[in-house]
Amino acid sequence: GQQLNQSPQSMFIQEGEDVSMNCTSSSIFNTWLWYKQDPGEGPVLLIALYKAGELTSNGRLTAQFGITRKDSFLNISASIPSDVGIYFCAGANQAGTALIFGKGTTLSVSS
Amino acid sequence: DTAVSQTPKYLVTQMGNDKSIKCEQNLGHDTMYWYKQDSKKFLKIMFSYNNKELIINETVPNRFSPKSPDKAHLNLHINSLELGDSAVYFCASSQVATDTQYFGPGTRLTVL
Repeated sequence: GQQLNQSPQSMFIQEGEDVSMNCTSSSIFNTWLWYKQDPGEGPVLLIALYKAGELTSNGRLTAQFGITRKDSFLNISASIPSDVGIYFCAGANQAGTALIFGKGTTLSVSS
Repeated sequence: DTAVSQTPKYLVTQMGNDKSIKCEQNLGHDTMYWYKQDSKKFLKIMFSYNNKELIINETVPNRFSPKSPDKAHLNLHINSLELGDSAVYFCASSQVATDTQYFGPGTRLTVL
């Protein structure tokens, strides 16, 4: 089955630093999504990407849908303590089907 | 207003018991899902329903039975609970036309 490789697995950064994480797949996706999960909560959608090459921003977050449709990255600029959490990429190759999730990137921010 | 809600938030029970988790979405979505998140935080699809009809059923023991009384609700019933069922279970929903799924807050199930 399809698998997503998400890296890095964890990051420890200082407040104010920029962060980058990415996901790659062995096969193509039609949609890439990025979620953030805070402790004890469900994943919350950050950015949705629907088109190869698409670059989308949401505040300090920027994500891109790779042109090969097999990868995506998420950047966070000027990190702040509330950015702490687990970030998941997820992909789907057909509307209404199950999302395939990466294994998550755990972000720690020290002030 | 909560978009996707689940009850209970925490569920602690003994092995062998039967339990249910309820999920409701007020987003008007056509499709609902159940995911399981293990101790390593890996999220895996269990079931998906579209307009009350089962469309995805991953390799899940038949002790797990989803039930959708209407398209706004998808409940998960688990029979004969086992230790390995301990996990966080998330409900999600989406419109059929998009893949963007919205998640509930999760139910932490602990089987003793």
